[in-house]
Amino acid sequence: GAVVSQHPSRVICKSGTSVKIECRSLDFQATTMFWYRQFPKQSLMLMATSNEGSKATYEQGVEKDKFLINHASLTLSTLTVTSAHPEDSSFYICSARVTSGGRYEQFFGPGTRLTVL
Amino acid sequence: SQQGEEDPQALSIQEGENATMNCSYKTSINNLQWYRQNSGRGLVHLILIRSNEREKHSGRLRVTLDTSKKSSSLLITASRAADTASYFCATAINQGGKLIFGQGTELSVKP
Repeated sequence: GAVVSQHPSRVICKSGTSVKIECRSLDFQATTMFWYRQFPKQSLMLMATSNEGSKATYEQGVEKDKFLINHASLTLSTLTVTSAHPEDSSFYICSARVTSGGRYEQFFGPGTRLTVL
Repeated sequence: SQQGEEDPQALSIQEGENATMNCSYKTSINNLQWYRQNSGRGLVHLILIRSNEREKHSGRLRVTLDTSKKSSSLLITASRAADTASYFCATAINQGGKLIFGQGTELSVKP
């Protein structure tokens, strides 16, 4: 099956710094990737849809200037949490969409745990 | 915004018993998917059921979909301790579109 990786798997940073999280499709190309956030004991909340070569589409309530998404190639999307604060501490998960036999499937990365001190 | 409501929020059973989790959603969908998540880990795709399907099986998993009631259920038969995890339903309005996740059910299977 298709493999999606995320880097780093966990990161601890100081309040006010920026953190970049990478999402890579390892053995397929993905024109569309999705970014989710999951707080402890809660479900996944879709943050944005990342489209290769164009601007990301953000969900209502997600600040585009705070969560910068860049999908510069068919195998890489990055999420940068700018000026991170403790309330941004969360589990960030990406998924990549692949077309197979005329059907779409999404494959999820293992997640990145962000802790902002 | 969340599309799905799941119940129960938590379920504790003995090994060998069956586990049933339910999911309800609000809008018309193209498909509904079930995922599993072990604590602090990524998601594992379990099964996808399309809006024109009513039931699907995969190993010990059985999924039903009732579009008139906008609800789905996931049945795990003969549960094992290794089935302990959180289970989420997710709906897609369009094929290949964004997924909207339910609140999840935390399943604990005691040996």
